[in-house]
Amino acid sequence: GESVGLHLPTLSVQEGDNSIINCAYSNSASDYFIWYKQESGKGPQFIIDIRSNMDKRQGQRVTVLLNKTVKHLSLQIAATQPGDSAVYFCAENYGGSQGNLIFGKGTKLSVKP
Amino acid sequence: EAQVTQNPRYLITVTGKKLTVTCSQNMNHEYMSWYRQDPGLGLRQIYYSMNVEVTDKGDVPEGYKVSRKEKRNFPLILESPSPNQTSLYFCASSILAGGNGELFFGEGSRLTVL
Repeated sequence: GESVGLHLPTLSVQEGDNSIINCAYSNSASDYFIWYKQESGKGPQFIIDIRSNMDKRQGQRVTVLLNKTVKHLSLQIAATQPGDSAVYFCAENYGGSQGNLIFGKGTKLSVKP
Repeated sequence: EAQVTQNPRYLITVTGKKLTVTCSQNMNHEYMSWYRQDPGLGLRQIYYSMNVEVTDKGDVPEGYKVSRKEKRNFPLILESPSPNQTSLYFCASSILAGGNGELFFGEGSRLTVL
């Protein structure tokens, strides 16, 4: 909801520019990564995922890059639109006994018209 | 329409008054999970369920209970709510157990405990 955006890193971009949102993950054993988008007042929505045997995956206007050497994940949004304004979370699945996702704290993307 | 439905969406209650937040999914998913979301802390998992009658603690289970008697429903129970449980709660489900697939989230339930 509206309080999700507090205390978060913020990225402000001009409409039409490309956006790059970064995420550092914690566990070198993680083998599956997901990006989620959360608009104000809504639940997170799946954007794109990538497995550890890949270093790049493309979707519609979005690309995820994975650098396992430095445990870094990035989400690139091409031709950013006002509707892209939201909080973006990365999540990692380290495949432990629970095999559940660990979410990052998020980055708030603001798109200026 | 495929969805995860939570109720209530908003609730204000008082300390100690038992409450239940319901969650229902219509996608025949085996995996369901509850998260709380707090400013600066992100999404933290409370409980999850791999299948009917199978539930496990997540990262922050204290003060919560869950049950999974049917595949579609996964209620979150606060037996004696306290102010530190004031939060935004999300239920989620996935076709693949263990977070190895797309998680579908509900719209959230904002709970305030006075």
